[in-house]
Amino acid sequence: DAKTTQPTSMDCAEGRAANLPCNHSTISGNEYVYWYRQIHSQGPQYIIHGLKNNETNEMASLIITEDRKSSTLILPHATLRDTAVYYCIVTGTSYDKVIFGPGTSLSVIP
Amino acid sequence: SAVISQKPSRDICQRGTSLTIQCQVDSQVTMMFWYRQQPGQSLTLIATANQGSEATYESGFVIDKFPISRPNLTFSTLTVSNMSPEDSSIYLCSVEDRGTKYEQYFGPGTRLTVT
Repeated sequence: DAKTTQPTSMDCAEGRAANLPCNHSTISGNEYVYWYRQIHSQGPQYIIHGLKNNETNEMASLIITEDRKSSTLILPHATLRDTAVYYCIVTGTSYDKVIFGPGTSLSVIP
Repeated sequence: SAVISQKPSRDICQRGTSLTIQCQVDSQVTMMFWYRQQPGQSLTLIATANQGSEATYESGFVIDKFPISRPNLTFSTLTVSNMSPEDSSIYLCSVEDRGTKYEQYFGPGTRLTVT
């Protein structure tokens, strides 16, 4: 079973920040938080990952709480092309299985 | 990053037949993964394929139904055997990047319809 819980769906206005929450209360010390997204009819795409520090790349920012039991993916300026299902995944590194939960369906609205 | 291609991109098959899906990667990778995505659902891991050894199947998936080959470090096949309409899904292969991120790269998927 997936080790994370996410809201089923969210809406975000175009140009605004999209904040996608994820709970992972049973995360262990050597497990990372990964985020992927799946745009309709495509394979999932890696977005970002982190262990305990906040991370930022060209796509998004990842904020992980100090106790590591939850995190938030931030898309700073959402566009219509960001409409997708976003998956929060907890996994170890190097050949660990990636188990997908239901994810959050994000709709960016004009 | 790894570039993955799958063949066929889609197919319509009759029940009782089998279909073999090919996955080709543009670089050598140790682990390849096969997923199934049923209509409107999330991805479900079928098996993990390591070159030179038998695939490891997840609960609910068996080798007789989903035989996997992994003949080298850039190629794998998944066969869906004795198909029924319940096998209608998108089948995706993925590989793990051995750089610093350990993220997975996914192929575009094979859309299978069983009539």
